[in-house]
Amino acid sequence: AQTVTQSQPEMSVQEAETVTLSCTYDTSESNYYLFWYKQPPSRQMILVIRQEAYKQQNATENRFSVNFQKAAKSFSLKISDSQLGDTAMYFCAFMKRRNQFYFGTGTSLTVIP
Amino acid sequence: SQTIHQWPATLVQPVGSPLSLECTVEGTSNPNLYWYRQAAGRGLQLLFYSVGIGQISSEVPQNLSASRPQDRQFILSSKKLLLSDSGFYLCAREPSGRDEQFFGPGTRLTVL
Repeated sequence: AQTVTQSQPEMSVQEAETVTLSCTYDTSESNYYLFWYKQPPSRQMILVIRQEAYKQQNATENRFSVNFQKAAKSFSLKISDSQLGDTAMYFCAFMKRRNQFYFGTGTSLTVIP
Repeated sequence: SQTIHQWPATLVQPVGSPLSLECTVEGTSNPNLYWYRQAAGRGLQLLFYSVGIGQISSEVPQNLSASRPQDRQFILSSKKLLLSDSGFYLCAREPSGRDEQFFGPGTRLTVL
């Protein structure tokens, strides 16, 4: 069975600082996809970044980047220059193939002004 | 466009009453569609997915059912709601050929 673990239920960061959210997963598959989703207070789920397991290069999207360690099954999200609008719940997700999406329990991030 | 509409946005229902939540999508045809439930302080639990009209797969046996009467319409139903059905229900689409999901705005359901 696939599982996704986010061991940090809550985190906080000062505005303009950098924060890293952790995610580990368990799978026997070699090809899969990993995602980070953001859920602000509005509850709208927003895709932040995605990573294909066959790509060794870490994905980046503006201030968001990942540290993908395939052997360690680790997929952390780094947010640089944190902004107040980054305050949200962040979910790590794993997709083995279509129709098989698994989400972690989330990390609540608060950006402090 | 990857627009997803969910209706209603908020719903309060008594225990034992029926339920119908609607999800409609715009954009590409024949998307995979999903229903998730998010309980308070919890992650997302996949309830149902559909790869086409009339095709429904259930991930978790429970009090709920789903239907897909049209290509861009996905409905979540219940004949008799339980207290444990309270939560935030999210509809998602997986566009054909895309390996990612886009979510609707959600429906907050409170069962009293």
